[in-house]
Amino acid sequence: EAQVTQNPRYLITVTGKKLTVTCSQNMNHEYMSWYRQDPGLGLRQIYYSMNVEVTDKGDVPEGYKVSRKEKRNFPLILESPSPNQTSLYFCASSARSSYNEQFFGPGTRLTVL
Amino acid sequence: QQQVKQSPQSLIVQKGGISIINCAYENTAFDYFPWYQQFPGKGPALLIAIRPDVSEKKEGRFTISFNKSAKQFSLHIMDSQPGDSATYFCAARLKTGAGSYQLTFGKGTKLSVIP
Repeated sequence: EAQVTQNPRYLITVTGKKLTVTCSQNMNHEYMSWYRQDPGLGLRQIYYSMNVEVTDKGDVPEGYKVSRKEKRNFPLILESPSPNQTSLYFCASSARSSYNEQFFGPGTRLTVL
Repeated sequence: QQQVKQSPQSLIVQKGGISIINCAYENTAFDYFPWYQQFPGKGPALLIAIRPDVSEKKEGRFTISFNKSAKQFSLHIMDSQPGDSATYFCAARLKTGAGSYQLTFGKGTKLSVIP
């Protein structure tokens, strides 16, 4: 089954404790992206990647890191999480061609205390 | 600076009625305008999309109307059904380099279709 998977789905952590949210897709997509969703703010792009070893900042990159060492994986790293990073996070992927749709993962709900 | 403005924030429609959600954008470099549908507890999923050289696109009960001169586009859901109850996001794509692009979303509209 073609899908984007994220782990963990739920995470409660404390301020300053480094964490990684994994994202993997099995569709051989070149493009991958991370979004955060907050009430009243919609979806905001954090980082995106057009290919292995190529990443770019989105609209809200502060406090996040990403890496793209393999085509299928695109982990999101919070080196020192803060309470304002409490949010619902989505990973998405799409094929590299004009106008192709983005496939979203199921989301990771993160709470930083 | 919000580049895609979406309204209304919430919408209640009776079954069988027409649901209309509007979006406006500022950046004329946007080249693709998708709508995503999100059910509670799920990730967004592409519903329908349009390019700026087309004024209307219809897929079943869902229609996008696009007004390039006004920099506005809207989603119309005909014969709305309770199963259409979801949050809808408009979006706009901006090419940022060779083969690279960024997608900007509106803030979303929560649609409730009541029987």
